[in-house]
Amino acid sequence: DTAVSQTPKYLVTQMGNDKSIKCEQNLGHDTMYWYKQDSKKFLKIMFSYNNKELIINETVPNRFSPKSPDKAHLNLHINSLELGDSAVYFCASSQDYASDTQYFGPGTRLTVL
Amino acid sequence: GENVEQHPSTLSVQEGDSAVIKCTYSDSASNYFPWYKQELGKRPQLIIDIRSNVGEKKDQRIAVTLNKTAKHFSLHITETQPEDSAVYFCALSGNEKLTFGTGTRLTIIP
Repeated sequence: DTAVSQTPKYLVTQMGNDKSIKCEQNLGHDTMYWYKQDSKKFLKIMFSYNNKELIINETVPNRFSPKSPDKAHLNLHINSLELGDSAVYFCASSQDYASDTQYFGPGTRLTVL
Repeated sequence: GENVEQHPSTLSVQEGDSAVIKCTYSDSASNYFPWYKQELGKRPQLIIDIRSNVGEKKDQRIAVTLNKTAKHFSLHITETQPEDSAVYFCALSGNEKLTFGTGTRLTIIP
């Protein structure tokens, strides 16, 4: 199923580089999210957008910049990558924010060397 | 922010037995409580959810109970099977977002 898709699936890069992860949903949802899942499997929200407007920025370093060109897309750009950025990044979407089912993308495993 | 505690962190259950995972929270304004299952290397997937106007919901071998007064909700899996092995996350709504529990790694022993 490709309701929420992300590219790339794997990303290996050197410290200091800049990289982007793309997310698209074809569910017609209004709200999209980025989550970070660390090695201990903790799922933490980073950002949410509702109809291209930023709703949540959960004290994420400003090296992380989300961009939503339209409500079906939410991309994540990361500048000056650090070792601690290594994690799995999940995109998700929901019809509306807060009290609604979220559907997750397949994840992007980012490894910073 | 919202705080949700999930227990246990790991759980091993003999195939065919039941498994129970519990989450407690502090924000009484929360009104949506989903449970997600994440298999190894896969995305979290919703398996069941409950809203605050009901106390229990069942879907085949899976059930969720909610006690709003005591601020806890639990996932019950009966007649466990090997394919139930995964990490399970509770979550709850509040402040325009879902806050996830720390996860329970469930292992079904054949």
